[in-house]
Amino acid sequence: AQKVTQAQTEISVVEKEDVTLDCVYETRDTTYYLFWYKQPPSGELVFLIRRNSFDEQNEISGRYSWNFQKSTSSFNFTITASQVVDSAVYFCALSEARTGNQFYFGTGTSLTVIP
Amino acid sequence: NAGVTQTPKFQVLKTGQSMTLQCAQDMNHEYMSWYRQDPGMGLRLIHYSVGAGITDQGEVPNGYNVSRSTTEDFPLRLLSAAPSQTSVYFCASKSAGTGFSEYGYTFGSGTRLTVV
Repeated sequence: AQKVTQAQTEISVVEKEDVTLDCVYETRDTTYYLFWYKQPPSGELVFLIRRNSFDEQNEISGRYSWNFQKSTSSFNFTITASQVVDSAVYFCALSEARTGNQFYFGTGTSLTVIP
Repeated sequence: NAGVTQTPKFQVLKTGQSMTLQCAQDMNHEYMSWYRQDPGMGLRLIHYSVGAGITDQGEVPNGYNVSRSTTEDFPLRLLSAAPSQTSVYFCASKSAGTGFSEYGYTFGSGTRLTVV
């Protein structure tokens, strides 16, 4: 079973629109960590955020915000007023304290921001 | 600059050839791993290591070998390349912290491998 599901394979938005990338995870662990990574067209993977399972506070960083809801096992990522530079593939990932040796990555969401 | 260094960036192999993808990190991270990235499949774990002298298999280990003789280096060996191994390979490392789950990875820039 897929531990991290990113149901949106590709999303296109027009510049300045807001966009939300969905991430649903599955775990039986009570201690776990959730991550988002960005992969721009140049190919490298860039760490964006980490959230632990005991902290459900939403986080905002500039135009980026993250909504963590344990009740729905979701960790969604919103970009406000999108820009062309936001075009990338975004990966959500899960790490469990019980099996901490492995990250579980979603299949990624490819975001295209159209100027 | 501190980080994870992968070489080469690009490689073309003929079926049956062997080669080693190099990975080195200078952050004194205990944990290192190799992932492959294929379209529509995200990143899949090939092998990982929790410290020098310790390695283990991930989700897709067949056709690959690893060793970890030092904390810094974690090479990935393709024993007999096959077209199915055409992929982008990422090496990653992270600190153990209070548990290996706690921290995110630092990734290398990737190796694009084509097997013909």
